[in-house]
Amino acid sequence: SQQGEEDPQALSIQEGENATMNCSYKTSINNLQWYRQNSGRGLVHLILIRSNEREKHSGRLRVTLDTSKKSSSLLITASRAADTASYFCATDQAGTALIFGKGTTLSVSS
Amino acid sequence: DSGVTQTPKHLITATGQRVTLRCSPRSGDLSVYWYQQSLDQGLQFLIQYYNGEERAKGNILERFSAQQFPDLHSELNLSSLELGDSALYFCASSAGRSYTEAFFGQGTRLTVV
Repeated sequence: SQQGEEDPQALSIQEGENATMNCSYKTSINNLQWYRQNSGRGLVHLILIRSNEREKHSGRLRVTLDTSKKSSSLLITASRAADTASYFCATDQAGTALIFGKGTTLSVSS
Repeated sequence: DSGVTQTPKHLITATGQRVTLRCSPRSGDLSVYWYQQSLDQGLQFLIQYYNGEERAKGNILERFSAQQFPDLHSELNLSSLELGDSALYFCASSAGRSYTEAFFGQGTRLTVV
């Protein structure tokens, strides 16, 4: 079963624009993570935000977490063609493991 | 390079057959996770092992089984294969029992014909 659900499913933007993708989840969590996957390759960890944190930054990435709404957003600023990939949120469910959503496919054109 | 090694990279087999996928976690990582990724189902969690013991179970079919050995490498066994089992199978590892950053291998692409 999916714990996190990303929105939108697909996003197309121009280089230099910002990309925002959202994740909603169902149960309480200890942390929420975002991963990137280039076509057909393994997932790469981007950032982790704990349940007691509201916002976190890493380079051009900004993640927010609203536990009252059970939602998170990932903002990529000044997008580049190399950011083209699928982005997944992942949450830990108490008693189970890291559960991923279906992902947002981001396409950045130059 | 994530430090997680999966073999083989590609596997083509016939329906009804049995295959074994292998995963070597990052040095020092005690947790190993297995995921199945297909186009219509996204990334499905199958099973997790921690230091040799099963820690959590997801949507793993009864035809599938896994184990983690004393040297911490893990194997995923898929039997009585069906066409619908064709997918990318990923292994990931993390340092501890809690669900912190996971490192993924490059996956095994299984094609059942």
